[in-house]
Amino acid sequence: EIVLTQSPGTLSLSPGERATLSCRASQSVSSSYLAWYQQKPGQVPRLLIYGASSRPTGIPDRFSGRGSGTDFTLTISRLEPEDFAVYYCQQYGNSPLTFGGGTKVEIK
Amino acid sequence: QVQLQQWGAGLLKPSETLSLTCGVYGGSFSGYYWTWIRQTPGKGLEWIGEINHSGTTNYNPSLKSRVTISVDTSKNQFSLRLSSVTAADTAVYYCARRLDIWGQGTMVTVSS
Repeated sequence: EIVLTQSPGTLSLSPGERATLSCRASQSVSSSYLAWYQQKPGQVPRLLIYGASSRPTGIPDRFSGRGSGTDFTLTISRLEPEDFAVYYCQQYGNSPLTFGGGTKVEIK
Repeated sequence: QVQLQQWGAGLLKPSETLSLTCGVYGGSFSGYYWTWIRQTPGKGLEWIGEINHSGTTNYNPSLKSRVTISVDTSKNQFSLRLSSVTAADTAVYYCARRLDIWGQGTMVTVSS
């Protein structure tokens, strides 16, 4: 099973600042099958990034993903008020599919 | 616009079987993996397993002995059964099209 470790656990930033979230895998993620989700309290997770760097239709371009192998990053270029939430990474290249423990982005 | 709508019992007693169904509306059922995921405050998000339109399944080894995922292509539905539940199975259960479209979630509580 691939274990995903996200860091930091909590990121305290102000609107307009840049957020950089890390997801490290215990072994290489096949074909960069790495996704990022955003979840707000009481809501369903929303897909932000798939294939490590691709954005689904409708996701703002301030969200970007990069990485390969075991190290992946989600960057939010300029935080908007609606971006304060919990972010999860998920690998879907190997069964069982696994999620990271999450990074909470909170308002400083 | 594909939407997933899920339903099933939300309160179970220990040793009972959890049963949830997810309907897929507004899009193709074929060509995708249909997934069950659960979320708890303590363990976060946990992938339970998935099925495609042909009935091919993949299960999380940690739950495999108790899980059955099935599909009814005539109704565009897929279902989850989790047997012998305990308090540790208390969670919000989600159905999802692999990656991008999620159901609304069902809070399942196991309590005597």
